[in-house]
Amino acid sequence: RKEVEQDPGPFNVPEGATVAFNCTYSNSASQSFFWYRQDCRKEPKLLMSVYSSGNEDGRFTAQLNRASQYISLLIRDSKLSDSATYLCVVNPPSYGKLTFGQGTILTVHP
Amino acid sequence: EAQVTQNPRYLITVTGKKLTVTCSQNMNHEYMSWYRQDPGLGLRQIYYSMNVEVTDKGDVPEGYKVSRKEKRNFPLILESPSPNQTSLYFCATSGGLSSYNSPLHFGNGTRLTVT
Repeated sequence: RKEVEQDPGPFNVPEGATVAFNCTYSNSASQSFFWYRQDCRKEPKLLMSVYSSGNEDGRFTAQLNRASQYISLLIRDSKLSDSATYLCVVNPPSYGKLTFGQGTILTVHP
Repeated sequence: EAQVTQNPRYLITVTGKKLTVTCSQNMNHEYMSWYRQDPGLGLRQIYYSMNVEVTDKGDVPEGYKVSRKEKRNFPLILESPSPNQTSLYFCATSGGLSSYNSPLHFGNGTRLTVT
């Protein structure tokens, strides 16, 4: 089993739709979790950290389910500008070896 | 301005010709790391460094070397590049040991082609 797994998609949704991505991880002792956004051929940029109690930033909501070992990202009212690849990142107890999911491609169309 | 600077942005070279990709940061971060990104494989960690003179292998270290002689710089060295090292490379830094929730800051990337 891969350490971090994401559905690669692609997800094609119309503007205004709500879309959700999941990311599962295998190490139950993992300590911190993040969602990054990557535009084509550019560097990944932090979208949001994922806190145990869940957190929201505008149209974006991140959740952590430790029992089932997954994190999720919900995007409400999708915009064209949300089109990108979304990467989940898991920080295991051996802090240095951050692990990325392979990314989920989202395309929002008019 | 907080920055992670990678150079060069683009590099085309031939098999066996040693090259170095530089990475420099001005955020006084302890943690630095190198990743390669390939289609269908995502970002894979090559090497990382928790602090000066401390480096460790990531998931795909074969064919690469790094050094961390000073806090701000973390060069990636390919002693004898091969075509399977053609990839998009990213350097990233983080606040490190003092903050487990410290996110990564990435450089702009280096697109390397080895012929």
